[in-house]
Amino acid sequence: GAGVSQSPRYKVAKRGQDVALRCDPISGHVSLFWYQQALGQGPEFLTYFQNEAQLDKSGLPSDRFFAERPEGSVSTLKIQRTQQEDSAVYLCASSPTDRVTEAFFGQGTRLTVV
Amino acid sequence: ELKVEQNPLFLSMQEGKNYTIYCNYSTTSDRLYWYRQDPGKSLESLFVLLSNGAVKQEGRLMASLDTKARLSTLHITAAVHDLSATYFCAVDPHKLVGGGSQGNLIFGKGTKLSVKP
Repeated sequence: GAGVSQSPRYKVAKRGQDVALRCDPISGHVSLFWYQQALGQGPEFLTYFQNEAQLDKSGLPSDRFFAERPEGSVSTLKIQRTQQEDSAVYLCASSPTDRVTEAFFGQGTRLTVV
Repeated sequence: ELKVEQNPLFLSMQEGKNYTIYCNYSTTSDRLYWYRQDPGKSLESLFVLLSNGAVKQEGRLMASLDTKARLSTLHITAAVHDLSATYFCAVDPHKLVGGGSQGNLIFGKGTKLSVKP
């Protein structure tokens, strides 16, 4: 596709369930970013990959959150033992360089934990 | 802790009117971004401001950056309904040697703009 694709678009999880959110970046994009956007708030940085290397994971809120990009393309954000406060839209963005100035955002995955 | 504050958070305008959205931030940075977000949609990049005094215009929107005052403004001229959306400013607090960024943008809470006929 032409843009950043995220799946699923919507996910409802029972508290305690594990979830996996997928991001397909624009083909050839070097950098990939994950952000968390709570309702009515601005996005908050979670983690950053350059190719397969996770260069910054300082925004991951707890050790229940884990992200990977094993082949430098598709990325998966995994949340273990989900809690209600994890409910948010998870945004993925990719960039052809190491610069977020040129990043394109996906439509996000809306996670609701019940 | 870096803070990015937008005001107002909600703005209801009549078509044809002018207004300004303000974005204040609390640390030194010369990289500021404006995004637009429609409900259920992705973030769309509007402006990238990379130096003090930078001014950019696109249609009815004009953005400026004053790094000394740590202030950016998004000015709306003669608003139309199609501009209804949420507008976010974001600051890049990091700079690698050579000017790259690691993507740790700090966003404001957003300004929800509603333009009414």
